[in-house]
Amino acid sequence: SQTIHQWPATLVQPVGSPLSLECTVEGTSNPNLYWYRQAAGRGLQLLFYSIGIGQISSEVPQNLSASRPQDRQFILSSKKLLLSDSGFYLCAWSPGLDEKLFFGSGTQLSVL
Amino acid sequence: DQQVKQNSPSLSVQEGRISILNCDYTNSMFDYFLWYKKYPAEGPTFLISISSIKDKNEDGRFTVFLNKSAKHLSLHIVPSQPGDSAVYFCAAKGGGGSNYKLTFGKGTLLTVNP
Repeated sequence: SQTIHQWPATLVQPVGSPLSLECTVEGTSNPNLYWYRQAAGRGLQLLFYSIGIGQISSEVPQNLSASRPQDRQFILSSKKLLLSDSGFYLCAWSPGLDEKLFFGSGTQLSVL
Repeated sequence: DQQVKQNSPSLSVQEGRISILNCDYTNSMFDYFLWYKKYPAEGPTFLISISSIKDKNEDGRFTVFLNKSAKHLSLHIVPSQPGDSAVYFCAAKGGGGSNYKLTFGKGTLLTVNP
Protein backbone atom coordinates (compact mmCIF):
# COMPACT_ATOMS: atom_id res chain seq x y z
CA SER A 1 0.00 0.00 0.00
CA GLN A 2 1.02 3.57 -0.55
CA THR A 3 2.11 5.85 2.27
CA ILE A 4 3.20 9.45 2.45
CA HIS A 5 5.65 10.77 5.00
CA GLN A 6 6.04 14.42 5.86
CA TRP A 7 8.32 15.96 8.45
CA PRO A 8 8.78 17.66 10.77
CA ALA A 9 5.35 17.81 12.40
CA THR A 10 6.00 21.20 13.98
CA LEU A 11 8.61 23.84 13.36
CA VAL A 12 9.33 27.21 14.93
CA GLN A 13 11.68 29.39 12.94
CA PRO A 14 12.84 33.01 13.26
CA VAL A 15 12.15 35.52 10.53
CA GLY A 16 14.91 35.47 7.94
CA SER A 17 15.95 31.88 8.57
CA PRO A 18 15.90 29.20 5.84
CA LEU A 19 13.31 26.46 5.52
CA SER A 20 13.33 22.91 4.24
CA LEU A 21 10.31 20.63 4.50
CA GLU A 22 10.55 17.15 3.09
CA CYS A 23 7.93 14.76 1.80
CA THR A 24 8.33 11.23 0.50
CA VAL A 25 5.88 8.75 -0.95
CA GLU A 26 6.24 4.99 -0.75
CA GLY A 27 4.57 2.19 -2.62
CA THR A 28 4.00 3.91 -5.94
CA SER A 29 5.97 5.30 -8.83
CA ASN A 30 5.71 8.54 -10.77
CA PRO A 31 3.11 10.11 -8.48
CA ASN A 32 1.89 13.64 -8.89
CA LEU A 33 3.09 15.60 -5.88
CA TYR A 34 1.67 18.72 -4.29
CA TRP A 35 2.37 21.28 -1.59
CA TYR A 36 -0.63 22.99 -0.02
CA ARG A 37 -0.79 25.57 2.75
CA GLN A 38 -3.60 26.25 5.18
CA ALA A 39 -3.21 29.67 6.73
CA ALA A 40 -5.26 30.70 9.73
CA GLY A 41 -8.91 31.23 8.74
CA ARG A 42 -8.31 30.22 5.16
CA GLY A 43 -8.79 27.15 3.03
CA LEU A 44 -6.21 24.93 1.44
CA GLN A 45 -4.14 26.89 -1.02
CA LEU A 46 -2.14 25.06 -3.66
CA LEU A 47 1.46 26.26 -3.69
CA PHE A 48 3.27 23.88 -6.05
CA TYR A 49 2.66 20.71 -7.96
CA SER A 50 4.89 18.33 -9.87
CA ILE A 51 4.05 15.69 -12.45
CA GLY A 52 7.61 14.39 -12.71
CA ILE A 53 11.23 14.72 -11.61
CA GLY A 54 12.43 18.27 -12.09
CA GLN A 55 8.98 19.46 -13.24
CA ILE A 56 7.59 22.04 -10.85
CA SER A 57 4.59 24.30 -11.39
CA SER A 58 4.07 27.26 -9.10
CA GLU A 59 0.56 28.42 -8.41
CA VAL A 60 1.14 31.66 -6.55
CA PRO A 61 4.06 34.08 -6.39
CA GLN A 62 5.66 33.78 -3.02
CA ASN A 63 8.72 33.47 -0.91
CA LEU A 64 8.88 29.71 -1.30
CA SER A 65 10.29 27.26 -3.83
CA ALA A 66 9.90 23.54 -4.44
CA SER A 67 12.11 20.83 -5.85
CA ARG A 68 11.72 17.21 -6.82
CA PRO A 69 15.16 15.63 -6.81
CA GLN A 70 13.81 12.07 -6.92
CA ASP A 71 10.64 10.46 -8.20
CA ARG A 72 9.01 10.17 -4.80
CA GLN A 73 10.59 13.08 -2.96
CA PHE A 74 9.23 16.61 -2.84
CA ILE A 75 10.92 19.43 -0.94
CA LEU A 76 9.57 22.85 0.02
CA SER A 77 12.18 25.51 0.69
CA SER A 78 12.75 29.12 1.49
CA LYS A 79 15.98 31.10 1.74
CA LYS A 80 14.53 33.66 4.15
CA LEU A 81 11.27 33.11 5.99
CA LEU A 82 8.70 35.86 6.44
CA LEU A 83 6.08 36.17 9.17
CA SER A 84 3.42 35.58 6.52
CA ASP A 85 4.90 32.14 5.78
CA SER A 86 3.39 30.80 9.00
CA GLY A 87 0.77 28.14 8.43
CA PHE A 88 0.00 24.46 8.17
CA TYR A 89 1.83 22.92 5.22
CA LEU A 90 0.53 19.78 3.62
CA CYS A 91 2.18 17.50 1.14
CA ALA A 92 -0.07 15.36 -1.03
CA TRP A 93 0.15 12.87 -3.85
CA SER A 94 -2.15 11.48 -6.51
CA PRO A 95 -1.73 8.52 -8.85
CA GLY A 96 -1.50 10.17 -12.22
CA LEU A 97 -4.71 11.85 -13.30
CA ASP A 98 -6.76 10.28 -10.52
CA GLU A 99 -8.95 12.88 -8.93
CA LYS A 100 -8.23 11.99 -5.34
CA LEU A 101 -5.40 13.49 -3.37
CA PHE A 102 -3.83 11.69 -0.44
CA PHE A 103 -2.40 14.01 2.16
CA GLY A 104 0.45 13.74 4.59
CA SER A 105 0.04 14.60 8.24
CA GLY A 106 1.19 18.19 7.80
CA THR A 107 3.79 20.54 9.26
CA GLN A 108 2.75 23.40 11.52
CA LEU A 109 5.21 26.20 10.79
CA SER A 110 5.40 29.21 13.08
CA VAL A 111 7.63 32.06 11.99
CA LEU A 112 8.43 34.41 14.87
CA ASP B 1 -11.37 35.18 -6.69
CA GLN B 2 -12.66 32.24 -4.72
CA GLN B 3 -14.04 29.61 -7.08
CA VAL B 4 -15.19 27.21 -4.37
CA LYS B 5 -17.11 28.71 -1.48
CA GLN B 6 -18.24 27.25 1.81
CA ASN B 7 -20.23 30.10 3.29
CA SER B 8 -20.85 28.51 6.68
CA PRO B 9 -17.67 28.49 8.75
CA SER B 10 -19.30 26.29 11.37
CA LEU B 11 -22.26 24.00 11.99
CA SER B 12 -23.50 22.37 15.17
CA VAL B 13 -25.92 19.42 15.26
CA GLN B 14 -27.18 16.88 17.75
CA GLU B 15 -26.02 13.29 17.61
CA GLY B 16 -28.37 11.18 15.52
CA ARG B 17 -29.67 14.10 13.48
CA ILE B 18 -28.75 15.02 9.91
CA SER B 19 -25.77 17.25 9.13
CA ILE B 20 -25.93 19.19 5.88
CA LEU B 21 -22.80 20.94 4.67
CA ASN B 22 -23.06 23.21 1.67
CA CYS B 23 -20.67 24.26 -1.05
CA ASP B 24 -21.04 26.63 -4.01
CA TYR B 25 -18.78 27.02 -7.00
CA THR B 26 -18.46 29.59 -9.74
CA ASN B 27 -16.54 27.79 -12.49
CA SER B 28 -18.93 25.82 -14.70
CA MET B 29 -16.03 23.82 -16.12
CA PHE B 30 -15.40 21.96 -12.88
CA ASP B 31 -16.11 18.31 -13.64
CA TYR B 32 -15.41 16.49 -10.41
CA PHE B 33 -16.15 17.33 -6.80
CA LEU B 34 -14.81 15.89 -3.59
CA TRP B 35 -15.32 16.21 0.15
CA TYR B 36 -12.46 15.90 2.58
CA LYS B 37 -12.55 15.59 6.34
CA LYS B 38 -9.84 17.06 8.53
CA TYR B 39 -9.07 16.63 12.21
CA PRO B 40 -6.84 19.17 14.01
CA ALA B 41 -3.11 18.80 13.32
CA GLU B 42 -3.74 16.09 10.73
CA GLY B 43 -3.89 16.00 6.96
CA PRO B 44 -7.29 15.89 5.25
CA THR B 45 -8.69 12.49 4.35
CA PHE B 46 -10.87 11.75 1.37
CA LEU B 47 -14.52 11.19 2.21
CA ILE B 48 -16.69 11.03 -0.90
CA SER B 49 -16.79 12.38 -4.43
CA ILE B 50 -19.13 12.94 -7.34
CA SER B 51 -18.69 13.38 -11.05
CA SER B 52 -20.45 16.22 -12.82
CA ILE B 53 -22.46 13.71 -14.85
CA LYS B 54 -24.23 12.53 -11.69
CA ASP B 55 -26.47 14.29 -9.22
CA LYS B 56 -26.10 11.97 -6.24
CA ASN B 57 -23.55 9.63 -4.76
CA GLU B 58 -24.03 7.67 -1.57
CA ASP B 59 -21.57 5.87 0.67
CA GLY B 60 -22.94 4.59 3.94
CA ARG B 61 -23.97 7.52 6.12
CA PHE B 62 -22.59 10.02 3.62
CA THR B 63 -24.41 11.32 0.56
CA VAL B 64 -23.27 14.06 -1.79
CA PHE B 65 -25.79 15.90 -3.95
CA LEU B 66 -24.85 17.99 -6.98
CA ASN B 67 -27.05 20.65 -8.55
CA LYS B 68 -25.20 21.77 -11.65
CA SER B 69 -27.67 24.43 -12.67
CA ALA B 70 -27.29 26.09 -9.28
CA LYS B 71 -23.57 25.32 -9.09
CA HIS B 72 -24.19 23.89 -5.66
CA LEU B 73 -23.31 20.70 -3.87
CA SER B 74 -24.05 19.44 -0.42
CA LEU B 75 -22.86 16.70 1.88
CA HIS B 76 -25.43 14.93 4.04
CA ILE B 77 -24.40 12.89 7.05
CA VAL B 78 -27.13 10.71 8.52
CA PRO B 79 -27.12 9.91 11.36
CA SER B 80 -24.46 12.27 12.69
CA GLN B 81 -22.04 10.91 15.25
CA PRO B 82 -19.68 12.72 17.67
CA GLY B 83 -16.72 11.23 15.74
CA ASP B 84 -17.88 13.17 12.69
CA SER B 85 -16.82 16.40 14.41
CA ALA B 86 -14.13 17.82 12.13
CA VAL B 87 -13.52 20.42 9.45
CA TYR B 88 -15.03 19.47 6.10
CA PHE B 89 -13.53 20.80 2.89
CA CYS B 90 -15.27 20.89 -0.44
CA ALA B 91 -12.98 20.62 -3.47
CA ALA B 92 -13.36 20.77 -7.24
CA LYS B 93 -11.26 19.60 -10.15
CA GLY B 94 -11.04 20.82 -13.71
CA GLY B 95 -12.15 24.32 -14.46
CA GLY B 96 -10.40 24.72 -17.75
CA GLY B 97 -6.95 24.78 -16.24
CA SER B 98 -4.75 21.95 -15.14
CA ASN B 99 -6.36 18.59 -14.52
CA TYR B 100 -3.81 17.93 -11.81
CA LYS B 101 -5.01 20.23 -9.10
CA LEU B 102 -7.94 20.56 -6.74
CA THR B 103 -9.42 23.89 -5.70
CA PHE B 104 -10.59 23.87 -2.09
CA GLY B 105 -13.11 25.88 -0.14
CA LYS B 106 -12.28 27.39 3.26
CA GLY B 107 -13.94 24.56 5.14
CA THR B 108 -16.83 24.15 7.57
CA LEU B 109 -16.27 23.10 11.16
CA LEU B 110 -18.88 20.50 12.09
CA THR B 111 -19.55 19.84 15.76
CA VAL B 112 -21.78 16.91 16.65
CA ASN B 113 -23.01 17.15 20.22
CA PRO B 114 -23.73 13.96 22.20
